[in-house]
Amino acid sequence: NAGVTQTPKFQVLKTGQSMTLQCAQDMNHNSMYWYRQDPGMGLRLIYYSASEGTTDKGEVPNGYNVSRLNKREFSLRLESAAPSQTSVYFCASSEGTGTYGYTFGSGTRLTVV
Amino acid sequence: DQQVKQNSPSLSVQEGRISILNCDYTNSMFDYFLWYKKYPAEGPTFLISISSIKDKNEDGRFTVFLNKSAKHLSLHIVPSQPGDSAVYFCAAGGSGTYKYIFGTGTRLKVLA
Repeated sequence: NAGVTQTPKFQVLKTGQSMTLQCAQDMNHNSMYWYRQDPGMGLRLIYYSASEGTTDKGEVPNGYNVSRLNKREFSLRLESAAPSQTSVYFCASSEGTGTYGYTFGSGTRLTVV
Repeated sequence: DQQVKQNSPSLSVQEGRISILNCDYTNSMFDYFLWYKKYPAEGPTFLISISSIKDKNEDGRFTVFLNKSAKHLSLHIVPSQPGDSAVYFCAAGGSGTYKYIFGTGTRLKVLA
């Protein structure tokens, strides 16, 4: 059982290019999330989807858009990449809130040059 | 303004001894606290959680303690094993929230 699958694992973009990070989970979780991890900053929430059909901003949403395509899939789009978006991106899913932990994907390492 | 702080970037412990990882928070509305472990080139893995109605939660070698008055939680690993070497993140959130705030992480090294 795969859990949370992210594609691609690595990507290099030029400034101004666009791309979509894909995420899919097979645990029938209602909630899905996109985080970014930067050195010395921990993990910061970009966007989340509490349930199919809803999306909301997290701490650092500027420069990103998301789509909850169905219950399984939650994509993150960078419309015009900037060097400040160089980061490791993690997708996660959970059954709900409270003490339910997230299941994270293995991450996408994105470099914008 | 960092609402969740892990003030020790790194910690080294001998195998078999206790590892204590600390986390402080500033928001008194936080009700749920979680710990994650992260190995290099992998996503974080959920380890253990605690709600604010408890002051202790135990799962095998891992125990989380919560001191609400001090706004402090700690993760104890006993006994520590070399496989525990990883970065540990604490995270906190309010009741019903989907927005968990993560600390910056503590890198634990367990020496054989």
